[in-house]
Amino acid sequence: DIQMTQSPSSLSASVGDRVTITCRASQGISNYLAWFQQKPGKAPKSLIYAASSLQSGVPSKFSGSGSGTDFTLTISSLQPEDFATYYCQQYNSYPRTFGPGTKVDIK
Amino acid sequence: QVQLQQWGAGLLKPSETLSLTCAVYGGSFSGYYWSWIRQPPGKGLEWIGEINHSGSTNYNPSLKSRVTISVDTSKNQFSLKLSSVTAADTAVYYCARARRQRGNYYYYMDVWGKGTTVTVSS
Repeated sequence: DIQMTQSPSSLSASVGDRVTITCRASQGISNYLAWFQQKPGKAPKSLIYAASSLQSGVPSKFSGSGSGTDFTLTISSLQPEDFATYYCQQYNSYPRTFGPGTKVDIK
Repeated sequence: QVQLQQWGAGLLKPSETLSLTCAVYGGSFSGYYWSWIRQPPGKGLEWIGEINHSGSTNYNPSLKSRVTISVDTSKNQFSLKLSSVTAADTAVYYCARARRQRGNYYYYMDVWGKGTTVTVSS
């Protein structure tokens, strides 16, 4: 199985801050990486696929980059609705695996 | 706009079989993979498996011996069965759609159901 790690596991930030979350795969996955946002008690929401492509309807303040084993998710200007947990997930091979999540909360 | 509506028994006893169904509304059923994912309380996401409209499946090896995913194309539905459940199977179970990335045959999840809470307790 491909192991996915994320850093940090949590972070505190202020409205307007630029936030970057890192995801690393235990082996190369090309660009077959997705990012999801999950708020408490809700289903995950798809943000990004193919490492850097925005899902339809997702605001452009979200961006993704990377290829191979190292990836980042950036939120350019954090807003109150962005406080949530973010997961990366690889779809290069089976079984699909998720990172442990990064919780973004209010400073 | 496609929506996934899921249902199933929420309280099970150890050794029983978990059974959930997910219905697809407002979109095509063919051309996608249909997935199940679960999330234990306070923990992260675990991929269970997937099926396409032809019945081709892929399962997580960690659960494969207990999991069956099936499809009913006449109803645009797919189902999950997990046998011999224990307390460790207590989780919110999600269904999701996986669509093909343009230019290749890799599938990423884009639409999720709202989740069903399943509790296993004697």
